Amino acid sequence: EDKVVQSPLSLVVHEGDTVTLNCSYEVTNFRSLLWYKQEKKAPTFLFMLTSSGIEKKSGRLSSILDKKELFSILNITATQTGDSAVYLCAVGSGGSNYKLTFGKGTLLTVNP
Amino acid sequence: NAGVTQTPKFRILKIGQSMTLQCTQDMNHNYMYWYRQDPGMGLKLIYYSVGAGITDKGEVPNGYNVSRSTTEDFPLRLELAAPSQTSVYFCASSWQTGNNSPLHFGNGTRLTVT
Repeated sequence: EDKVVQSPLSLVVHEGDTVTLNCSYEVTNFRSLLWYKQEKKAPTFLFMLTSSGIEKKSGRLSSILDKKELFSILNITATQTGDSAVYLCAVGSGGSNYKLTFGKGTLLTVNP
Repeated sequence: NAGVTQTPKFRILKIGQSMTLQCTQDMNHNYMYWYRQDPGMGLKLIYYSVGAGITDKGEVPNGYNVSRSTTEDFPLRLELAAPSQTSVYFCASSWQTGNNSPLHFGNGTRLTVT
């Protein structure tokens, strides 16, 4: 059975701190790893990673994948209160059949 | 450009009632999905569709049915509501298969079955 484990499950930081969120996985026939941010409603897409060691960056957020050790990290530097959200990791696997397994998410709270 | 639109936003059902959750997208995506999200849990796939007229079961299909008569619409039907179906339901769509391209989510339907 495919597994995606995120850690920590929750995290409280102060504005300006840097945070690292973790996502490890065990899946058959890995295809991709995706990060989503979920505030009050719909998850919104952040990054898709398919190759090891290539950092994806968007403003203060960055992410990298390690396909040998089967994990990814999401870094957020100089956190702001608007970064408060649940961050979801999802791993795409399988051949021609669609398969996307989500982790339980990390709840990040950024206090002023 | 509305993206993925779900209705209703909230609904309370009594045990045994039935209802349809509506989902429509205006991005001409072939792939559409229904997920449920329970507190503290990840998203679980209920059903998905790779194009009009084609649907398939996900991880947790029991108690639900879907149809895909057009590219735009992908309604989810609950026939005999049970308390275990209390959840937040998200519809999503994607350009390519969702394990290879980002999903675009609707804002969700919060369903309570009592």
